[in-house]
Amino acid sequence: DAGVIQSPRHEVTEMGQEVTLRCKPISGHDYLFWYRQTMMRGLELLIYFNNNVPIDDSGMPEDRFSAKMPNASFSTLKIQPSEPRDSAVYFCASRGTGNTGELFFGEGSRLTVL
Amino acid sequence: RKEVEQDPGPFNVPEGATVAFNCTYSNSASQSFFWYRQDCRKEPKLLMSVYSSGNEDGRFTAQLNRASQYISLLIRDSKLSDSATYLCVVNRRGRRALTFGSGTRLQVQP
Repeated sequence: DAGVIQSPRHEVTEMGQEVTLRCKPISGHDYLFWYRQTMMRGLELLIYFNNNVPIDDSGMPEDRFSAKMPNASFSTLKIQPSEPRDSAVYFCASRGTGNTGELFFGEGSRLTVL
Repeated sequence: RKEVEQDPGPFNVPEGATVAFNCTYSNSASQSFFWYRQDCRKEPKLLMSVYSSGNEDGRFTAQLNRASQYISLLIRDSKLSDSATYLCVVNRRGRRALTFGSGTRLQVQP
């Protein structure tokens, strides 16, 4: 079975550019999470969805960040405009309703903003 | 104060050694606890859940002390392949998202 699929795996962009990260969760999973990982702050929750509906976006840093989940098999995280401090690894993860403990993570999108 | 605190390490131990990591959490509403493992430049993966009575999975033993709000992970007979970062994770009651500690790095040396 395919796991969580993220794209792009790596992105290097210049400050001010728009960045779009994509995620395909595991089929049948109804929770989708976006996390960001940096050396300084570790793994931080940005936002999560349940049945395509955003439930908690309190971790989204500011208005430059937005996330959507138009259907059960696709989500995007957009940063516009990007800044150097947004450089991080962005992970998407999903899980089913019954299992509260095991998140299945994608391989991550490593973003570098110059 | 961070919700989940861990010693970042690194812990450098020889093969065969026993090593223990501790983690503290600040929110008493936390109800579920886990250890995740993250290899270098890879995604985190669930290692084991932590139960109140303590639980074991092969060479790994996890324990929870609710009164003191700390969680521990003991690894016996360390292998080179155990080298990784170990993330302490809690799930707050009523919240579906997991909160991760920053991780403790383990390096097992030959």
